[in-house]
Amino acid sequence: DAGITQSPRHKVTETGTPVTLRCHQTENHRYMYWYRQDPGHGLRLIHYSYGVKDTDKGEVSDGYSVSRSKTEDFLLTLESATSSQTSVYFCAISPGGAGELFFGEGSRLTVL
Amino acid sequence: DQQVKQNSPSLSVQEGRISILNCDYTNSMFDYFLWYKKYPAEGPTFLISISSIKDKNEDGRFTVFLNKSAKHLSLHIVPSQPGDSAVYFCAARQYSGNTPLVFGKGTRLSVIA
Repeated sequence: DAGITQSPRHKVTETGTPVTLRCHQTENHRYMYWYRQDPGHGLRLIHYSYGVKDTDKGEVSDGYSVSRSKTEDFLLTLESATSSQTSVYFCAISPGGAGELFFGEGSRLTVL
Repeated sequence: DQQVKQNSPSLSVQEGRISILNCDYTNSMFDYFLWYKKYPAEGPTFLISISSIKDKNEDGRFTVFLNKSAKHLSLHIVPSQPGDSAVYFCAARQYSGNTPLVFGKGTRLSVIA
């Protein structure tokens, strides 16, 4: 199994509060991704990173920001959580941008 | 606009029979295709892939077929086993340029014993 750890695995928060999800990898892979999974929508890309301090937006990036100050950590921040951000969030890594992705176990976020 | 489409949300198959999961794509720049399998409360795991220079790739019980002219691919599982019950996601990308994977909405496969 790829060394990917997501934290927290479960979180319940209230509307308007900030939330940060962390993805930590031990594989030294260059590419890291944040996806969200919702019923009827599959997996949708939020943001991704192709190196330290190099990030780009995905198809559902509104309301989210990311940071990558070290190769091994990729943080996803919801500055002011909304109920529409209730979802399961998956981090993924890849050694090169064109290869397969390895996913973490997911972080379930509930915004009340 | 959905670039990768899995039009069947669910599929039920009897154990031992063939399961066929379908996927269509609209972006003609896609040249690398993957299937992922996902169990509840786990992350997706890579299953099999195919590049556009091939029309078939096989790995054990799993075979992926690619029809470029129709922009269609399918995953065949034979024989189907109860442990294959999961959600299957089709994904696609341009192999060059390091563009991210685009996923379909998934198909839930139930293999009935």
